[in-house]
Amino acid sequence: DTGVSQDPRHKITKRGQNVTFRCDPISEHNRLYWYRQTLGQGPEFLTYFQNEAQLEKSRLLSDRFSAERPKGSFSTLEIQRTEQGDSAMYLCASSPPGASTEAFFGQGTRLTVV
Amino acid sequence: KNQVEQSPQSLIILEGKNCTLQCNYTVSPFSNLRWYKQDTGRGPVSLTIMTFSENTKSNGRYTATLDADTKQSSLHITASQLSDSASYICVVSAMDDYKLSFGAGTTVTVRA
Repeated sequence: DTGVSQDPRHKITKRGQNVTFRCDPISEHNRLYWYRQTLGQGPEFLTYFQNEAQLEKSRLLSDRFSAERPKGSFSTLEIQRTEQGDSAMYLCASSPPGASTEAFFGQGTRLTVV
Repeated sequence: KNQVEQSPQSLIILEGKNCTLQCNYTVSPFSNLRWYKQDTGRGPVSLTIMTFSENTKSNGRYTATLDADTKQSSLHITASQLSDSASYICVVSAMDDYKLSFGAGTTVTVRA
């Protein structure tokens, strides 16, 4: 499968614990996005990477959130001291360079904080 | 502020019938508009992408239209099937902006 891969698919964690999600984009896609989606809503932008550079971080991303893309390939999203409000689907997408290019999404990681 | 609004929020149709979903946006300057299908618990999958110069695009039983003057788009589903049950999300991007503006989606339920 050469699509965008996310791991894990599901994560249940206790409040206050740290969690880390991984995203493997389609190879040669230099753009990588993280979105968060709650039930009944469209995805909300969290952060964007172009190669290894994090070019923008949404105000939705509090100090407890950090994302990296160390070699311009896979990316990780870490949430520290999780709260119940962090429960959501976390989606990763990648796209090649150029305007009007297709954004391909992964299957998402469903986080439940109990 | 770039916004994308979709209607209706949800709809139920009988298998074999047609339906049309609406999307209004205020994104400017406009670059392109995409329709995605999202099955429950899965990531969105692209159906169509249209730029300013395109006013209609088809993908099988899905046909999208775009009126860049009125900033409106529609997605028409023909001869619906049970597998069309999903959320359909309108996504708009602006020129020189890598972020995508998402609508809240329309949930379509197809019943036998």
